[in-house]
Amino acid sequence: LAKTTQPISMDSYEGQEVNITCSHNNIATNDYITWYQQFPSQGPRFIIQGYKTKVTNEVASLFIPADRKSSTLSLPRVSLSDTAVYYCLVGDENQGGKLIFGQGTELSVKP
Amino acid sequence: ETGVTQTPRHLVMGMTNKKSLKCEQHLGHNAMYWYKQSAKKPLELMFVYNFKEQTENNSVPSRFSPECPNSSHLFLHLHTLQPEDSALYLCASSQAHSQEGAQYFGPGTRLLVL
Repeated sequence: LAKTTQPISMDSYEGQEVNITCSHNNIATNDYITWYQQFPSQGPRFIIQGYKTKVTNEVASLFIPADRKSSTLSLPRVSLSDTAVYYCLVGDENQGGKLIFGQGTELSVKP
Repeated sequence: ETGVTQTPRHLVMGMTNKKSLKCEQHLGHNAMYWYKQSAKKPLELMFVYNFKEQTENNSVPSRFSPECPNSSHLFLHLHTLQPEDSALYLCASSQAHSQEGAQYFGPGTRLLVL
């Protein structure tokens, strides 16, 4: 069973900032938090990864609070092409740190 | 992106057929993975290979048989599948079997079992 919780869906408009939060209460000490993007009928694509605090790349930012029990993916100024499913990936302490995908958040960006 | 390729892209098979899915990575990675993605469900990790050795088998039925002849190639042999096995099968690779670093996914094989 996945040990992450994300909103099932989110709606946004072009040009807005989108924040997707993932809850991972059982994250293990050595686990990283990784986010992927998936378009229909394609394999997921790596977006960003972090361990603590804040990470930023050319695509997104990842905010991780001190207790690491949640994380927030921030997409600045989304466009229609950002419509996709976003997965939060962490290990699971109860399953030996195995990588488990969350159920994903289906983001719909409207014009 | 052509870093991880999968063939075939689509496959229809009967329950008595035997078929194989192929995955090839051109990234120089040492770990390879098979995932299953059923409709409206999260990706399910099936197998992990690290330096050609299988390191994880997540209680996958024996009708799915993986093979990793070298670090660049991964196969999934299929036999006597069930209709509920219809799904998108994704291959991925990473530099090492570690949580640090990205996994790179192929485009997947869409499998339909009749």
